[in-house]
Amino acid sequence: DIVLTQSPDTLSLSPGERATLSCRASQSVTSNYLAWYQHKPGQAPRLLIFGASSRATGIPDRFSGSGSGTDFTLTISRLEPQDFAVYYCQQYGRSPKSFGPGTKVDIK
Amino acid sequence: EVQLVQSGAEVKKPGESLTISCKGSGYSFTSYWITWVRQMPGKGLEWMGRIDPSDSYTNYSPSFQGHVTISADKSISTAYLQWSSLKASDTAIYYCARPYASGSLNDAFDIWGQGTMVTVSS
Repeated sequence: DIVLTQSPDTLSLSPGERATLSCRASQSVTSNYLAWYQHKPGQAPRLLIFGASSRATGIPDRFSGSGSGTDFTLTISRLEPQDFAVYYCQQYGRSPKSFGPGTKVDIK
Repeated sequence: EVQLVQSGAEVKKPGESLTISCKGSGYSFTSYWITWVRQMPGKGLEWMGRIDPSDSYTNYSPSFQGHVTISADKSISTAYLQWSSLKASDTAIYYCARPYASGSLNDAFDIWGQGTMVTVSS
């Protein structure tokens, strides 16, 4: 099984700052089938990025994904108040299609 | 509007059985796999397994194989997650989700149900 590790566990930043979140896989992710989600309490997760770098429909361009193989990054260029949430990566190239443990982005 | 609507919250006792549901609308239900995802209290997301509603073919995570059953009734565009004997450790929010594109490889989820809270307590 592919195990995903996310760092840091928590990122404390102010609105307007840049956020850089890391996701590392225990094995190479097939065809860069790597997604990022935003999850807020009481809501369903929201797909931000699929295929490592493609933005999902309606996602603002301040969200960007990069990486390949085993190392992936989600960047939020300028944090807006509504961006403070938990972010998960997920690999979907091989079953079981695992999620990482999440990175919490909170307000400094 | 494309949506998945899940059944309501459940409170059950250990050993009881339970089936929760996920009804798709606004799209061709048989064209997209449905996946179930667990979130235990204070924890992250876990991929449980998925079903192809066109033929009810299933994939399970080894962590959940044998503990739950995923099924679907394509005639009413509904997928199900079933337990035969609940444990306290099954207490969680369960989400169903649909991928952004049809086909078995495209398993990033852009449509999610609202979640079903299952509480198992004596």
